[in-house]
Amino acid sequence: DGGITQSPKYLFRKEGQNVTLSCEQNLNHDAMYWYRQDPGQGLRLIYYSQIVNDFQKGDIAEGYSVSREKKESFPLTVTSAQKNPTAFYLCASRGLAGDIGELFFGEGSRLTVL
Amino acid sequence: AQSVTQLDSHVSVSEGTPVLLRCNYSSSYSPSLFWYVQHPNKGLQLLLKYTSAATLVKGINGFEAEFKKSETSFHLTKPSAHMSDAAEYFCVVSERTGRRALTFGSGTRLQVQP
Repeated sequence: DGGITQSPKYLFRKEGQNVTLSCEQNLNHDAMYWYRQDPGQGLRLIYYSQIVNDFQKGDIAEGYSVSREKKESFPLTVTSAQKNPTAFYLCASRGLAGDIGELFFGEGSRLTVL
Repeated sequence: AQSVTQLDSHVSVSEGTPVLLRCNYSSSYSPSLFWYVQHPNKGLQLLLKYTSAATLVKGINGFEAEFKKSETSFHLTKPSAHMSDAAEYFCVVSERTGRRALTFGSGTRLQVQP
């Protein structure tokens, strides 16, 4: 079955540690996105990539980094510079022929900083 | 600039009664509009979309929405609620020209009482 796989589903981190969230898709989609979700708020865009080896900052990129070495993979690193990293992180993808709002989402990764 | 306002953070209905989730938008350009549903600790799933064709849009699971330009609204409705409809719903606006960014509403949590 085609879809987006995010791992791990739950992750705990000590302050000062970097962590990497995995996102893999087998939909053959060109565009991939990382969103952050906090309680009572909509999704906010962290980074996006429309092609391999290229990515753009979203609205809240500070303290995060990404790479796009393969079409299928778009990992997100939450660095120690991110001051409030506890959140639910969602990865999404889109075929470039589709409407920009037609995103396919993974099931998310919940990060908790201890 | 574009924005989207979901007028209710929580809506509670009884099973079998109609559902109305309200969304107002603001956009400098001709918008595309979307509704997504999110079940607890899951990713988002596209319910329906409006992209300038028919103003009454039908989606999955019996949901529909009507685009009203004069009222800048895109309310989500369903004639009869089911227990499985309990979830969070997000209204999303995308400009079809210009920067074409996505803006998410803050969400409406729908409770369905037996």
